[in-house]
Amino acid sequence: GAVVSQHPSRVICKSGTSVKIECRSLDFQATTMFWYRQFPKQSLMLMATSNEGSKATYEQGVEKDKFLINHASLTLSTLTVTSAHPEDSSFYICSARGSGGADDTQYFGPGTRLTVL
Amino acid sequence: GNSVTQMEGPVTLSEEAFLTINCTYTATGYPSLFWYVQYPGEGLQLLLKATKADDKGSNKGFEATYRKETTSFHLEKGSVQVSDSAVYFCALTLSGSARQLTFGSGTQLTVLP
Repeated sequence: GAVVSQHPSRVICKSGTSVKIECRSLDFQATTMFWYRQFPKQSLMLMATSNEGSKATYEQGVEKDKFLINHASLTLSTLTVTSAHPEDSSFYICSARGSGGADDTQYFGPGTRLTVL
Repeated sequence: GNSVTQMEGPVTLSEEAFLTINCTYTATGYPSLFWYVQYPGEGLQLLLKATKADDKGSNKGFEATYRKETTSFHLEKGSVQVSDSAVYFCALTLSGSARQLTFGSGTQLTVLP
């Protein structure tokens, strides 16, 4: 149980295009999903917290107009990198937390490698 | 604020060696503690967790005990395998509406045959 998928796993795009990454909780309902960014050999940096049906809460320094987050259902959140540039190239990871009980565990997706040319 | 301090890596061990990766934390309340593992090119997988003092989390031969008196959650394994080579992250979360994870910097483990 507690499986989170991400799609696509890898994407290469040209500078100026927009890229959408999907995060799905496959076997549980996730009221809260988190989006992280990871640079090579570094820890995860939290970008935003997304609650189903409401606007995402962005961390300081993360541009909300650049990184659009939608959490329209209890099993799906999307991150859209708008007008991507080479500096947006990174490994993006989502996680989801269940909606029941006091379980604090976040379950992570396999990540999406974005390369902007 | 909340923070997690992990043992600096990289750590290189021979197969069947004993592993310890130190993790200490600072938190304003009573956190839940986690160890996550990341294999190359993949996302994070939950390895084990503990939600209150003196709890021991264990999985796949790995163990960690929640020590409130020393604010520590050290990861141990008695005999590592080549397949354990990965990056290990210690993390905490506090109860509350956000329950965001605070991560340590990660420790790269390489196990040689």
